[in-house]
Amino acid sequence: GAGVSQSPRYKVAKRGQDVALRCDPISGHVSLFWYQQALGQGPEFLTYFQNEAQLDKSGLPSDRFFAERPEGSVSTLKIQRTQQEDSAVYLCASRQGMIDTQYFGPGTRLTVL
Amino acid sequence: ILNVEQSPQSLHVQEGDSTNFTCSFPSSNFYALHWYRWETAKSPEALFVMTLNGDEKKKGRISATLNTKEGYSYLYIKGSQPEDSATYLCALRRIKAAGNKLTFGGGTRVLVKP
Repeated sequence: GAGVSQSPRYKVAKRGQDVALRCDPISGHVSLFWYQQALGQGPEFLTYFQNEAQLDKSGLPSDRFFAERPEGSVSTLKIQRTQQEDSAVYLCASRQGMIDTQYFGPGTRLTVL
Repeated sequence: ILNVEQSPQSLHVQEGDSTNFTCSFPSSNFYALHWYRWETAKSPEALFVMTLNGDEKKKGRISATLNTKEGYSYLYIKGSQPEDSATYLCALRRIKAAGNKLTFGGGTRVLVKP
């Protein structure tokens, strides 16, 4: 079956631009996670949704970062007024229940010039 | 140990050789340890989910062990092949973490030389 997909796969933005990153989870998966992976580091948690409810956004680095999942399926991570330190790979993962493994998409590589 | 740590950061292995590397993690509030394999330009692939102290899991030539009391897990690759070249990530899931989010180590980058 189809896995988690993300788009775009690569994004180059000029500093100060707004960007929107999309995640299509596996159909029927209740939980959705966003992670940020900076160069040379492991992925770090950004935010978590259960259906359409954003239950944890403690990892969002600033108020320029905003995530939504309005219908409990597709999710969008928006970054306003991008900065160079936002350059990273943004990973999305979905999970069917509370005890299952997380399945990851291929990530979006964001480069802010 | 306060964070999830992996060592070494990278290693080169000759084709046919076996290798292993370590994931260390805080043992308090342990729920599960995940291992992922991440090849360039692909999605991280789930290898194992380990929950019990003493767990041993195997998938083909790759196996893993878990010690929750001392807070470490080993991943072994037997008879390395070029297709094993990837970054191997471990991730900790803790009991009290909201949503059971994963806390990742920095990864071990494995390069298998033909």
